[in-house]
Amino acid sequence: GQQLNQSPQSMFIQEGEDVSMNCTSSSIFNTWLWYKQEPGEGPVLLIALYKAGELTSNGRLTAQFGITRKDSFLNISASIPSDVGIYFCAGLVNQFYFGTGTSLTVIP
Amino acid sequence: NAGVTQTPKFRILKIGQSMTLQCAQDMNHNYMYWYRQDPGMGLKLIYYSVGAGITDKGEVPNGYNVSRSTTEDFPLRLELAAPSQTSVYFCASSYPGGVVQPQHFGDGTRLSIL
Repeated sequence: GQQLNQSPQSMFIQEGEDVSMNCTSSSIFNTWLWYKQEPGEGPVLLIALYKAGELTSNGRLTAQFGITRKDSFLNISASIPSDVGIYFCAGLVNQFYFGTGTSLTVIP
Repeated sequence: NAGVTQTPKFRILKIGQSMTLQCAQDMNHNYMYWYRQDPGMGLKLIYYSVGAGITDKGEVPNGYNVSRSTTEDFPLRLELAAPSQTSVYFCASSYPGGVVQPQHFGDGTRLSIL
């Protein structure tokens, strides 16, 4: 299957700081999605990207579809405690492939 | 406002037992999916369905079976449970119109095989 590498694997940040994470692959994808998963729950869609170079925001979250179509980036501005969770990227080529996740801890 | 509902939430099985994980959605989505999530890993696609009566294998289908007799329901069957199938199983569905539409997930079934 396709390999999606997410980095960093985990992050510990102070409340109010900005967060950046990325997802890379050796393959080209047609769609990129970013999900957030909280303990005991299923992933919840945050942002969907459909075109290379696309930059899309959802409140304090901003994601970009890399120009090479092999990567995507997610930024969270002014983090708050409820941002805690695991963030997954997913890329589409025939089916959706998921990254291994970035675990975010926000310290009040 | 149920979305995707999975039952049961937790289950412990003995090696060799069988069981069916239930998934139902009330959004009239034609695409449905089953994923497994192992600790520290991303989701792996087991099976998917593009509509009633149509199913296809995903990345990790061995040891599982599915059926899709209605638009709403997409059960996943384990026939001979093995320890390697210990995982969290997620069902998802997507908007009408195709696989490129983002998926909505249930809360998962946590399955342990001992």
